[in-house]
Amino acid sequence: GAGVSQSPSNKVTEKGKDVELRCDPISGHTALYWYRQSLGQGLEFLIYFQGNSAPDKSGLPSDRFSAERTGGSVSTLTIQRTQQEDSAVYLCASSLRLRGRAANEKLFFGSGTQLSVL
Amino acid sequence: QQQVKQSPQSLIVQKGGISIINCAYENTAFDYFPWYQQFPGKGPALLIAIRPDVSEKKEGRFTISFNKSAKQFSLHIMDSQPGDSATYFCAARATDSWGKLQFGAGTQVVVTP
Repeated sequence: GAGVSQSPSNKVTEKGKDVELRCDPISGHTALYWYRQSLGQGLEFLIYFQGNSAPDKSGLPSDRFSAERTGGSVSTLTIQRTQQEDSAVYLCASSLRLRGRAANEKLFFGSGTQLSVL
Repeated sequence: QQQVKQSPQSLIVQKGGISIINCAYENTAFDYFPWYQQFPGKGPALLIAIRPDVSEKKEGRFTISFNKSAKQFSLHIMDSQPGDSATYFCAARATDSWGKLQFGAGTQVVVTP
């Protein structure tokens, strides 16, 4: 597709269950980001992948959160033992970053996954 | 603790009026200041961005004003239209944190016909 694709669009789970959220970035984009948006709040940075470099995990709120990016493309955000405070919209974005020249810093966001933990 | 403080939380403006949203920051390492627009059920989309070496940037009806000494920047939406009704987020990024945009809390703008 032409844009960033996220699935599922909605996920309802029970407290204590694990969930996996998927992000398919724009083809050719080397950078991939996960953000979290809680109701009425701004976007909270979670993790950033750039090419083959080690990801910047500094925004992950606890060790229950993890993410991986396979083959430099698709990414999965996993939340283990979900808690009610994990309820939020999880947004994925990608961008094209070219080494050695002025970077295109425009982030392209997907429509997000609305996670509800009951 | 939010590194970028945004105000107001919401505003209502009549069609044809000017919408003004303000943001302030403390981190002098920030070197890139974008504004994102978000419609309900969609992800944010880049609207306009500025670097600290200029004081103003205009794209169509949207203008960013930047005051480096005051560490403030603002978005002006001229001739506001009902289609501009959305949530607007300011953001900032530091030189050594390329992937990490710090977002403000957002401003919900409603443009009445």
